[in-house]
Amino acid sequence: GAGVSQSPSNKVTEKGKDVELRCDPISGHTALYWYRQSLGQGLEFLIYFQGNSAPDKSGLPSDRFSAERTGGSVSTLTIQRTQQEDSAVYLCASSTRTGGTLYEQYFGPGTRLTVT
Amino acid sequence: GEDVEQSLFLSVREGDSSVINCTYTDSSSTYLYWYKQEPGAGLQLLTYIFSNMDMKQDQRLTVLLNKKDKHLSLRIADTQTGDSAIYFCAESYTGRRALTFGSGTRLQVQP
Repeated sequence: GAGVSQSPSNKVTEKGKDVELRCDPISGHTALYWYRQSLGQGLEFLIYFQGNSAPDKSGLPSDRFSAERTGGSVSTLTIQRTQQEDSAVYLCASSTRTGGTLYEQYFGPGTRLTVT
Repeated sequence: GEDVEQSLFLSVREGDSSVINCTYTDSSSTYLYWYKQEPGAGLQLLTYIFSNMDMKQDQRLTVLLNKKDKHLSLRIADTQTGDSAIYFCAESYTGRRALTFGSGTRLQVQP
């Protein structure tokens, strides 16, 4: 079956421009997550969706970052007025309950964002 | 707050065992995970262990959990060149669905 897909795979943008990153979760997965992986660093949580609502936005680094999810499926992460420090790989994951409190997260291939 | 730490690099020879270590600080962790990231690929869940377990074995992989020391390890038996990748440990706990990741250990397997 299809896994998590993300688009575009690579995005180069000029400082100050807005970008939109898209995530298509695994069909039927109700939870969706965005993480960021900066060069030489681990993965940093950004935001979590359950259905179309976002009960945990604690990882969004500034108000330039926002995300939405529609129809309980596709999600878009928007970065406004991009800065060079936004350059990173943005990873999306989806999950469903597999037992008890275990939610196995399945990751997409990521979008590499470069801000010049 | 929570923190997960790993050593950055490990080099082994093909056929040897690899042991990748991780320490965490959050005593309320419920599950601990090992993910593998190959170049240009997304994260692949390798295995996980529930916090009330001490050990889990899955083919060539053995996970050991020392709750007292908050130490997690991943042992890969008979390491192959295809095991070369970055390995991340991660934790989750009740009430927070997001995973907290370590910075990753790069495993290099030499032929």
